[in-house]
Amino acid sequence: NAGVTQTPKFRILKIGQSMTLQCAQDMNHNYMYWYRQDPGMGLKLIYYSVGAGITDKGEVPNGYNVSRSTTEDFPLRLELAAPSQTSVYFCASSYSTSGNNEQFFGPGTRLTVL
Amino acid sequence: GNSVTQMEGPVTLSEEAFLTINCTYTATGYPSLFWYVQYPGEGLQLLLKATKADDKGSNKGFEATYRKETTSFHLEKGSVQVSDSAVYFCALNPSGGSEKLVFGKGMKLTVNP
Repeated sequence: NAGVTQTPKFRILKIGQSMTLQCAQDMNHNYMYWYRQDPGMGLKLIYYSVGAGITDKGEVPNGYNVSRSTTEDFPLRLELAAPSQTSVYFCASSYSTSGNNEQFFGPGTRLTVL
Repeated sequence: GNSVTQMEGPVTLSEEAFLTINCTYTATGYPSLFWYVQYPGEGLQLLLKATKADDKGSNKGFEATYRKETTSFHLEKGSVQVSDSAVYFCALNPSGGSEKLVFGKGMKLTVNP
C-alpha cells in the first residue's frame, strides 16, 4: 500500500492564481481531511469528508473548496491565492470507527504565495 | 470548546537524557488522546494513543497515561536518542465520534549526540 499520497510537494503561486492540491489514499478509508500547518500554530482543519459525495467545513475553510467524487481522492482547490495561504498542507485519512481512529497523513505540500 | 495545550519548545537534549512533554486538554465527555510525531520533511504519524481514563499508551520507548483527574496526557521517555529528534503533537478526538482531531501547537525536540 502507498498509504496517503499528495502532489505536488512544493509549489510557488502568484497572488490571484489558482491551483488544486491532489490527495489520494489506497486504504479504503471513509474519512479524509485537509489540514494546514503554520509555523508554531499546530494543525488547523480546513475541510473533511465522511465518504464519497459528502464534505463539510472545518475550522478554517475560507478561500478553499473540496470535492469527493470517489473514496480514494480528495482534492483541495485554491481559487484566488493570497499570501495568507502560504503554509504546509497535509491530507489525512482514517477509518470511520468512533473516537478511536488513527489518522494517516500524507507527506505534505509546501505552498508559497507571493 | 475542545482544546489542547502543550509545552512549547524548542527543546534541546543530550542523548540518553530523560524527556517529558507536558500536555493538558479541555473537552466535554470522554475524549480519546493521541501523540503524533513529525520527523523532518515528513507527515505526521501516530506515536501512541489512549482511549479511556488510566489507559497507558506506549510505543518506541515512549509512554503517556490518560489522567482524567488532571486532564493531562504527558509524554515521557527515559533515554532519548538522536533519532527521536522531531516535532511532537498532542491531540484529542472529542467524544461522540466526531472523528475530528484537535491538535496542540507542537513541540520541536532536538537530541544531540
